[in-house]
Amino acid sequence: NAGVTQTPKFQVLKTGQSMTLQCAQDMNHEYMSWYRQDPGMGLRLIHYSVGAGITDQGEVPNGYNVSRSTTEDFPLRLLSAAPSQTSVYFCASSGSIGTGTGELFFGEGSRLTVL
Amino acid sequence: GDSVTQMEGPVTLSEEAFLTINCTYTATGYPSLFWYVQYPGEGLQLLLKATKADDKGSNKGFEATYRKETTSFHLEKGSVQVSDSAVYFCALKRSGAGSYQLTFGKGTKLSVIP
Repeated sequence: NAGVTQTPKFQVLKTGQSMTLQCAQDMNHEYMSWYRQDPGMGLRLIHYSVGAGITDQGEVPNGYNVSRSTTEDFPLRLLSAAPSQTSVYFCASSGSIGTGTGELFFGEGSRLTVL
Repeated sequence: GDSVTQMEGPVTLSEEAFLTINCTYTATGYPSLFWYVQYPGEGLQLLLKATKADDKGSNKGFEATYRKETTSFHLEKGSVQVSDSAVYFCALKRSGAGSYQLTFGKGTKLSVIP
């Protein structure tokens, strides 16, 4: 069972470079989201989507861009990487978040280092 | 805004010891409450949840009771094992239609030694 798949698992960028973190899920979930995890900060929501063509900002959206053209995919784009974006990024999906149970299914994470 | 406060770690226990990880929250209304667990090198996974006051969530020997009067959702386990070593996150989701965001605590790292 694939669940939520993120690529790449590791990436090193130079300041100013751009890149896309890929996220795909095979559970037909309408809701998908991106979090970043930093030491001592827990998880913070970057962007989320409640369906194809619909996206919205979370707590820390600056410097990131998303789109949702299909139910399965939700890529996260870093437009011009900065050292402050060094973090571990998690994609998560849910089939029940709007109904109250709210279980999120997480990918294994993508560790990004910006030099 | 909504917030979740967890006891700071790391927490180190011997095998078979009793575990409590405190979690308190601030939110309007009646949020749903969750505990997620992150094992080394993995993403988070749901451990247990409670959706209304006085509900008790339980899974894998862990328990937590939704206490509205104290706005708390403390995680407990009677006898921990080495395999329970992980980071534990308390989280809440505001109730009501159109609420799509989970608010997470900062996480508590648990290490269990043989």
